Amino acid sequence: KAGVTQTPRYLIKTRGQQVTLSCSPISGHRSVSWYQQTPGQGLQFLFEYFSETQRNKGNFPGRFSGRQFSNSRSEMNVSTLELGDSALYLCASSSGPRGVTTNEKLFFGSGTQLSVL
Amino acid sequence: GEDVEQSLFLSVREGDSSVINCTYTDSSSTYLYWYKQEPGAGLQLLTYIFSNMDMKQDQRLTVLLNKKDKHLSLRIADTQTGDSAIYFCAENAGNMLTFGGGTRLMVKP
Repeated sequence: KAGVTQTPRYLIKTRGQQVTLSCSPISGHRSVSWYQQTPGQGLQFLFEYFSETQRNKGNFPGRFSGRQFSNSRSEMNVSTLELGDSALYLCASSSGPRGVTTNEKLFFGSGTQLSVL
Repeated sequence: GEDVEQSLFLSVREGDSSVINCTYTDSSSTYLYWYKQEPGAGLQLLTYIFSNMDMKQDQRLTVLLNKKDKHLSLRIADTQTGDSAIYFCAENAGNMLTFGGGTRLMVKP
């Protein structure tokens, strides 16, 4: 079974631009979560989608958005990029119905390393 | 800062045991997790423990949970150079995972 696939692996953008990152979950998984990892703030939860609906949202500004398609693939978008958005963006999938309050395990992709210049 | 706290760094010799500690804050967390991250990779789930358990053993890994003190530890027996990585503890609170800052484990041959 293929794991969680994130594309692209690396991205370089300049301030003010926007970016779209893609995540394909493990086959059969319906929940996709996004996390931002930076040296200063560590791993922070962005949002989670289940069956095309945003189920949970972290404490990030509205410039960060996402969506999920009917095949469970997900994209996240960051508009008006700032230097501080430079980070490793990790996507994780799980089977989904009950969320992480239960024993559903998260499986992570290798991430997209975004550099904002 | 993080609500889940870990020490930054641990160095051990190959063959020794490693103990990585974590304190968490949300007493309503039902599961606590340990993840491993190798350079350039995502997070790999190592093990987890349900909050009504005190201990869980999984091959070389032993997880200890002290709910009263909100303290979680991961013991790696017979540590190998391949165990060198960053280890994150995480709690599930509010239907999302909250991670600690990570402990970098260095294993010296």
